[in-house]
Amino acid sequence: SQTIHQWPATLVQPVGSPLSLECTVEGTSNPNLYWYRQAAGRGLQLLFYSVGIGQISSEVPQNLSASRPQDRQFILSSKKLLLSDSGFYLCAWSTSGNTIYFGEGSWLTVV
Amino acid sequence: GQQVMQIPQYQHVQEGEDFTTYCNSSTTLSNIQWYKQRPGGHPVFLIQLVKSGEVKKQKRLTFQFGEAKKNSSLHITATQTTDVGTYFCAGPMEYGNKLVFGAGTILRVKS
Repeated sequence: SQTIHQWPATLVQPVGSPLSLECTVEGTSNPNLYWYRQAAGRGLQLLFYSVGIGQISSEVPQNLSASRPQDRQFILSSKKLLLSDSGFYLCAWSTSGNTIYFGEGSWLTVV
Repeated sequence: GQQVMQIPQYQHVQEGEDFTTYCNSSTTLSNIQWYKQRPGGHPVFLIQLVKSGEVKKQKRLTFQFGEAKKNSSLHITATQTTDVGTYFCAGPMEYGNKLVFGAGTILRVKS
């Protein structure tokens, strides 16, 4: 069966520090991969999605970047965090059926 | 651009009362999906509807897909405290491997 792992689960980072969130998927090949952000009590904002290694589409201009160095690995990064980057970050995967399966999420607080 | 609107934004019901959330798309959808996010958790796939006028049931949950395939609803009969959370609808974009999510309906149940 397919599983998705995302880490770290929580982190508190100072303004201006770098960020790296990592996500891996097991049990499937060539998945579509996604990074979403959710502000407290709000909806799901798609940040990035990838259909293959090295192929990244950015949905909104922001202080973040994404990379896919391997088929089932997706990384969300920032060189310098802003207060507005705080939120709940969700990695997710799908295949051609469109149904999306989310990881357990990473709570980021920028202080 | 393609949009999915969901109402109400928030609903607080007494345990045992019914609950309904509605979803409307600006375009015809090939399918509609529903997800549930428990407080502090990540969204979890509930169901997918594909056919015009389709109705599916999961215990006390009834999902409907409109005849025009542009709207959908989720109805919960006799809510329980375990039903609390945010319910999202989502439809695939016309192009690309992405879902458009509604803003979600937050359900709170008073016992």
